[in-house]
Amino acid sequence: GAGVSQSPRYKVTKRGQDVALRCDPISGHVSLYWYRQALGQGPEFLTYFNYEAQQDKSGLPNDRFSAERPEGSISTLTIQRTEQRDSAMYRCASSQVQVGDTGELFFGEGSRLTVL
Amino acid sequence: AQSVAQPEDQVNVAEGNPLTVKCTYSVSGNPYLFWYVQYPNRGLQFLLKYITGDNLVKGSYGFEAEFNKSQTSFHLKKPSALVSDSALYFCAVRASGYSSASKIIFGSGTRLSIRP
Repeated sequence: GAGVSQSPRYKVTKRGQDVALRCDPISGHVSLYWYRQALGQGPEFLTYFNYEAQQDKSGLPNDRFSAERPEGSISTLTIQRTEQRDSAMYRCASSQVQVGDTGELFFGEGSRLTVL
Repeated sequence: AQSVAQPEDQVNVAEGNPLTVKCTYSVSGNPYLFWYVQYPNRGLQFLLKYITGDNLVKGSYGFEAEFNKSQTSFHLKKPSALVSDSALYFCAVRASGYSSASKIIFGSGTRLSIRP
């Protein structure tokens, strides 16, 4: 596609429900990152993939959070048993090259999650 | 562990004056450094990066940044500010190489406000 696409753009859910956020990176991009961003703050690293391999998941807050990228393209970030503190903007970014080659990141518009 | 500090939450500059947005970093080994800009309700956009070579790197929209290894800084600069430069600016860093510490970490952001 022309850019990184994230869906849904807005998600309102009740506490305790599971949510799945989808990221469709730029076609052919090797690396895919997930970040969480509070209003007016910097993106907080969650996890990243090179191809289908999850390279680093040290930023996932707890075991309710998981991510996958099974075919090395589309990625899903899943939050189980959501809590109000999970409310934030979740941003996906992709890069043409592997992290070690330091390509620039292209960010999507984000998915805003609100947990009631 | 790598980290980024942006000591100023907000920078106010008159249009036509030079601007500087400060960034300091901490990383093991050689750093790769980045600046991104975020306009209201939008995703982050890449401005410039330092990998190696000249300490002064030039980027989009007339911005440049100076890498200073001894001071572990990577300040963003522009000789003459425009009102349209008003936005949120983020500095980011990652460690060189293919280690598991290769994730890209962002600072907390600096809001740049240019008055006419």
